[in-house]
Amino acid sequence: NAGVTQTPKFQVLKTGQSMTLQCAQDMNHNSMYWYRQDPGMGLRLIYYSASEGTTDKGEVPNGYNVSRLNKREFSLRLESAAPSQTSVYFCAVSPGSPRVSQHFGDGTRLSIL
Amino acid sequence: GQQVMQIPQYQHVQEGEDFTTYCNSSTTLSNIQWYKQRPGGHPVFLIQLVKSGEVKKQKRLTFQFGEAKKNSSLHITATQTTDVGTYFCAGLRGNEKLTFGTGTRLTIIP
Repeated sequence: NAGVTQTPKFQVLKTGQSMTLQCAQDMNHNSMYWYRQDPGMGLRLIYYSASEGTTDKGEVPNGYNVSRLNKREFSLRLESAAPSQTSVYFCAVSPGSPRVSQHFGDGTRLSIL
Repeated sequence: GQQVMQIPQYQHVQEGEDFTTYCNSSTTLSNIQWYKQRPGGHPVFLIQLVKSGEVKKQKRLTFQFGEAKKNSSLHITATQTTDVGTYFCAGLRGNEKLTFGTGTRLTIIP
């Protein structure tokens, strides 16, 4: 899935540790998104960035921070990981308006003990 | 806030049987998108519906958008093992962010 690359693919953390999930795209799209996916709850938006230099909160932003480093990269940071943040995290991109489809990365599977 | 509910949560069908998943919104939508996620994979865009009462087909898949633009359905005719996965609808109200449904996980009994 060369369009959207997420690193790492898997990670295990201890409660209280911090880490940054990385997302990079080569599709030259303006909008980037971070979702979390939990069983039975679908995809929930954490943060999004409509364009370089802007970020906005989604449905479940608490406990997370983001950085839109440039047009290609959008990172998600957990400052003090909690077991409730165990999830699969997906980065997605779209050309601009949410009226068009989103293209997802392969995801990061994060476990917090 | 906007809610998008999907039913059923799980569906097990014999190979060759039909399958339908339904998506319902608490508010009128400007458009609705459908995604498929294979086990262990990431969501992949299937289609977008915009017009009231719109029906679109992709081979064995038929997508409908309700007249009131508050509900949608995905119907698969004669399921195959390649149809296994979770199907998500995602609704958009105005220019707000997409809200994903909870998904329907389809398993096929060979």
